[in-house]
Amino acid sequence: NAGVMQNPRHLVRRRGQEARLRCSPMKGHSHVYWYRQLPEEGLKFMVYLQKENIIDESGMPKERFSAEFPKEGPSILRIQQVVRGDSAAYFCASSPQLSTGSNTEAFFGQGTRLTVV
Amino acid sequence: AQSVSQHNHHVILSEAASLELGCNYSYGGTVNLFWYVQYPGQHLQLLLKYFSGDPLVKGIKGFEAEFIKSKFSFNLRKPSVQWSDTAEYFCAVNPLNFGNEKLTFGTGTRLTIIP
Repeated sequence: NAGVMQNPRHLVRRRGQEARLRCSPMKGHSHVYWYRQLPEEGLKFMVYLQKENIIDESGMPKERFSAEFPKEGPSILRIQQVVRGDSAAYFCASSPQLSTGSNTEAFFGQGTRLTVV
Repeated sequence: AQSVSQHNHHVILSEAASLELGCNYSYGGTVNLFWYVQYPGQHLQLLLKYFSGDPLVKGIKGFEAEFIKSKFSFNLRKPSVQWSDTAEYFCAVNPLNFGNEKLTFGTGTRLTIIP
């Protein structure tokens, strides 16, 4: 059972370009979460998705950022017109439903390190 | 909204020293609690978790944590650290509130072990 797969591992973009980050959840997991880790900071929640639905996007910047989790294929975090401040590590996690009280957890991918030059 | 506080930003210890990292959360309801570790250049891995039952939970690599409900705390401990424990440690909370699935993380504690 492969873990959470993120690609690319490293992504370099020039200011103004678009960045697409992909996340394939673990088999059987229908919940995907995206987190951003800025240098010297902790993990900040961005968005929580289930298949074809955005459940909670309270951590997403209002502009330039979007996320999707289509019926088929990986979840995509898209950043349009990147700026230097977008440089960070972006982590994806997947889980079965967490809040049922059952003994489960979120599993993290290895992250995509985005550098904007 | 819930929040998680990790007051120790950077901890430096010698090998064999005892470790305790603080974690406090603010949420009035029932929660699941987690500690994750991030080794340099790697992804987050689960160290241990608390869902219910015995408030003293044991995890991998000799780590344990104690849930004290009255103090809203979930401190991480290890009696004798090793150089290989050098990493960043994150506490996280997930409220048992249907529809609120997200894990809220603390800002992390960087642990440096000196050989």
